[in-house]
Amino acid sequence: DQQVKQNSPSLSVQEGRISILNCDYTNSMFDYFLWYKKYPAEGPTFLISISSIKDKNEDGRFTVFLNKSAKHLSLHIVPSQPGDSAVYFCAAGGGSQGNLIFGKGTKLSVKP
Amino acid sequence: DGGITQSPKYLFRKEGQNVTLSCEQNLNHDAMYWYRQDPGQGLRLIYYSQIVNDFQKGDIAEGYSVSREKKESFPLTVTSAQKNPTAFYLCASSLTELTGELFFGEGSRLTVL
Repeated sequence: DQQVKQNSPSLSVQEGRISILNCDYTNSMFDYFLWYKKYPAEGPTFLISISSIKDKNEDGRFTVFLNKSAKHLSLHIVPSQPGDSAVYFCAAGGGSQGNLIFGKGTKLSVKP
Repeated sequence: DGGITQSPKYLFRKEGQNVTLSCEQNLNHDAMYWYRQDPGQGLRLIYYSQIVNDFQKGDIAEGYSVSREKKESFPLTVTSAQKNPTAFYLCASSLTELTGELFFGEGSRLTVL
């Protein structure tokens, strides 16, 4: 049973527009969430995180929103750039989990 | 520079052979992890270790073995018992098991012929 779900395998966006990547989770005990970015044949790199006590965290062009009642979080990238093209993984941790649980990823393509 | 080093980056092996992937970190992190990535599958946890000489199975440990004799090192052996060993393997570490952020290595691509 997937505890962290990224239901969109891919997303295509025009350069300069907003990219919105979504993530749903089932375990209400998760108390922190992270987004990782991954280029092909490389390891994922940490992008941004949010604690369950917050509903928004912003870092430059990247903003993560958390809706605990809906068990949903989203990553907004504004404006999107071609260099943002990568696979984005949502991850959750805390509660009884001793390690992060990852979603399957969403491949973002930003077209010039 | 501090970081995680995985080697080799690419590895080819014949079916039935054991192979060991190296992972070294100089971040002074207590916890280390091995993940496997397959297309459309995301990252799946194979093994993790919180301290030296201790490790726990993850979600897909069958056919794999690990050791943690030193804090800096967490090698993964893919044994002949692993039915589908061809994959991209990622090693990661975190300051402690309870902290969220994982730092990943560059990955090792294993292809079994």
